[in-house]
Amino acid sequence: EPEVTQTPSHQVTQMGQEVILRCVPISNHLYFYWYRQILGQKVEFLVSFYNNEISEKSEIFDDQFSVERPDGSNFTLKIRSTKLEDSAMYFCASSVLAGGHGTDTQYFGPGTRLTVL
Amino acid sequence: GNSVTQMEGPVTLSEEAFLTINCTYTATGYPSLFWYVQYPGEGLQLLLKATKADDKGSNKGFEATYRKETTSFHLEKGSVQVSDSAVYFCALTPRGTGNQFYFGTGTSLTVIP
Repeated sequence: EPEVTQTPSHQVTQMGQEVILRCVPISNHLYFYWYRQILGQKVEFLVSFYNNEISEKSEIFDDQFSVERPDGSNFTLKIRSTKLEDSAMYFCASSVLAGGHGTDTQYFGPGTRLTVL
Repeated sequence: GNSVTQMEGPVTLSEEAFLTINCTYTATGYPSLFWYVQYPGEGLQLLLKATKADDKGSNKGFEATYRKETTSFHLEKGSVQVSDSAVYFCALTPRGTGNQFYFGTGTSLTVIP
């Protein structure tokens, strides 16, 4: 069964450093998403991406964040200058595009745990 | 706005006990409702969903019914197993493709033999 994959599973970085989190969505999906979950808190939406541009983003997704689909398979989240409060589990998700019944299910990857020291 | 309120955990049950995890929601439109499960060390897996009022989603012995009148989507299972130990997330998305999901805080379930 196709699945969303994410690398790395755990990333440790120093405050102020740039990190890139990578995701490979399900191959025939066209909508991509990033969410994060700070320990003990809700899973929060960051951004959605369709047709090579951001379609929706939350207040969390400020200028320090960017997303990119550099090739036909990868979808990346970049944090330019990490802060302590960026420490969280980051989930990538994807969904199909059809516009009809049952197309709104999002399929999630296993997550990348980001630790900022 | 859109939000999901989920029963606080953790929940500990003995094997074969009955499980209910409460979930209520507020939504600006007519959302689709979901339960996701996260097993230790793994990602969020879709457990079941319902897209309209009175629909019942079911999978692996779990069920949840979309109750528009009470804005609820409670998860139930008649007889839990040790392998059901996981964190369960209730979520909603506004109708249509490409909209963000709104999650509850998650309920940790531990089933003891």
